[in-house]
Amino acid sequence: KQEVTQIPAALSVPEGENLVLNCSFTDSAIYNLQWFRQDPGKGLTSLLLIQSSQREQTSGRLNASLDKSSGRSTLYIAASQPGDSATYLCAVWETYKYIFGTGTRLKVLA
Amino acid sequence: DTGVSQDPRHKITKRGQNVTFRCDPISEHNRLYWYRQTLGQGPEFLTYFQNEAQLEKSRLLSDRFSAERPKGSFSTLEIQRTEQGDSAMYLCASSSRTVTNEKLFFGSGTQLSVL
Repeated sequence: KQEVTQIPAALSVPEGENLVLNCSFTDSAIYNLQWFRQDPGKGLTSLLLIQSSQREQTSGRLNASLDKSSGRSTLYIAASQPGDSATYLCAVWETYKYIFGTGTRLKVLA
Repeated sequence: DTGVSQDPRHKITKRGQNVTFRCDPISEHNRLYWYRQTLGQGPEFLTYFQNEAQLEKSRLLSDRFSAERPKGSFSTLEIQRTEQGDSAMYLCASSSRTVTNEKLFFGSGTQLSVL
């Protein structure tokens, strides 16, 4: 059974810092992995999708990497801003559905 | 592209009542998902439709829960005889293997409170 773990559960950083969020999964036979952002009381917004054949994806200040063999993905956020404050979730595709981690709650201090 | 729409945004009900939620996916997406999320947790899978066919249901989906997607368009999720443990955010998402390569698009969710 696929299990997804995110560390740390919460993170507080000063504005401008570069930071890394971690995601690990137990079954390396994944089709793809997505990183999502969720603001309080809202739905999820897809940030980056990495296919199993890819090693990384970039969008603006975000870079996500995938190492299937070790069951790990990282989300790198450069030059963090207060507007980046949210919960970040990773999810791996398992036949017919995504399995989500519990998320990392990020607070960027002005 | 108007995004995934969910209605209502909030629902407060008394224990024992039935509730129904609606989800309108992005029009060209043939796959539709329902998830449930409680505070501090990631979304938990409930059920999945490909067009009008319900292809997978989680064990979380007890016999009090039923979902439909008539004609492969909008979907409804009904909870009968609600219990306080049903209080959660119910999220709908859609995708398409050919259009989005399984990238999921979520609605804003329906927040259910059972008193």
